[in-house]
Amino acid sequence: GENVEQHPSTLSVQEGDSAVIKCTYSDSASNYFPWYKQELGKGPQLIIDIRSNVGEKKDQRIAVTLNKTAKHFSLHITETQPEDSAVYFCAASTGTGGFKTIFGAGTRLFVKA
Amino acid sequence: EAQVTQNPRYLITVTGKKLTVTCSQNMNHEYMSWYRQDPGLGLRQIYYSMNVEVTDKGDVPEGYKVSRKEKRNFPLILESPSPNQTSLYFCASSQTSEGEQFFGPGTRLTVL
Repeated sequence: GENVEQHPSTLSVQEGDSAVIKCTYSDSASNYFPWYKQELGKGPQLIIDIRSNVGEKKDQRIAVTLNKTAKHFSLHITETQPEDSAVYFCAASTGTGGFKTIFGAGTRLFVKA
Repeated sequence: EAQVTQNPRYLITVTGKKLTVTCSQNMNHEYMSWYRQDPGLGLRQIYYSMNVEVTDKGDVPEGYKVSRKEKRNFPLILESPSPNQTSLYFCASSQTSEGEQFFGPGTRLTVL
């Protein structure tokens, strides 16, 4: 079946450093790629997303890049802060004709003060 | 306040005892979905709905049922729960098929 691979599973950085999380998807029909942040005891919340007709998108300290040819997309967090510590999930969605969404396994990010 | 609510938040039950987890959204969203979250596996989609009376299977539908009789509600039914359905369950809703999903707070289910 279709899948999304996410790496690394755990990432530890020093406050102020950058963090990069990478995902690879298998379904070439995927056209929407969101990133969610999940804090302890809560449901995931969208932090940024990108659509297949765009290569890069930035929102303050967060950026996402997409390479459709290679089926890769990545999350970049700059100037990390302790409050960035959480679990991050990438996902790939094929919106046309359905609502199927495949999530990666998640990355636990620790930002050390 | 715009939100997705789930009930109950915690449930311990025994094998074979039918249960329902309710999900309701107040944002008039067309799309709703159920996920289960297990360590090391991320979120896996169980079922989704694109409108009233329109539902379809996700990746892991076995052992689950859903219904969408009203736009705001999307209950998840386990007719004969088994221990391998012990998990953290999330309901989500979205205005479009390619847009932000708003997640509920989660339901932690334990099947003994």
